[in-house]
Amino acid sequence: DAKTTQPNSMESNEEEPVHLPCNHSTISGTDYIHWYRQLPSQGPEYVIHGLTSNVNNRMASLAIAEDRKSSTLILHRATLRDAAVYYCILRDRNTDKLIFGTGTRLQVFP
Amino acid sequence: ETGVTQTPRHLVMGMTNKKSLKCEQHLGHNAMYWYKQSAKKPLELMFVYNFKEQTENNSVPSRFSPECPNSSHLFLHLHTLQPEDSALYLCASSQGGRVRMNTEAFFGQGTRLTVV
Repeated sequence: DAKTTQPNSMESNEEEPVHLPCNHSTISGTDYIHWYRQLPSQGPEYVIHGLTSNVNNRMASLAIAEDRKSSTLILHRATLRDAAVYYCILRDRNTDKLIFGTGTRLQVFP
Repeated sequence: ETGVTQTPRHLVMGMTNKKSLKCEQHLGHNAMYWYKQSAKKPLELMFVYNFKEQTENNSVPSRFSPECPNSSHLFLHLHTLQPEDSALYLCASSQGGRVRMNTEAFFGQGTRLTVV
């Protein structure tokens, strides 16, 4: 399974943008980049995913490097509710596995 | 509400008990997953079912026995567990097959299991 590397923790102030990085230097051409987050005492929830182009949805934006070896999840205006562990995951067509790493714990301060 | 429902939400069981965890989804998904999350640890994938067939068993001890009678239901049968098996057990579902990498997974709220 291709691996991802994320910082253990990050901090932000409320209403500021947050850029959460993820390195995936061994990504293959068919791997999709997925992001999930896990709020305290809840199951993970889907945030966004992409293949090559940058993606936007109501929750966040995903910026993918041209060589696809890294990506950045962008929260445009952090809220207290965005405090969670954010997971960057690679998903390929050859397996049903969805493997989570340690993720980045995001703290948001008022 | 994610569309994936797990019952019970909390369970306390003795080491000699037999219990079952249930997961249900009506999202039309054909891949279902069991994960274990111990305190302060990442999610560990336990089992994957695709179209009712088990496609992954991540070296899980035999005291955990999964069952997938149809694409909408997934069970985890528990017997003779140990205190270290206490954890949050999460179920998830997603599209399987050729579109799996381009679709998201939906998680239930989990069952908080305590083995005493």
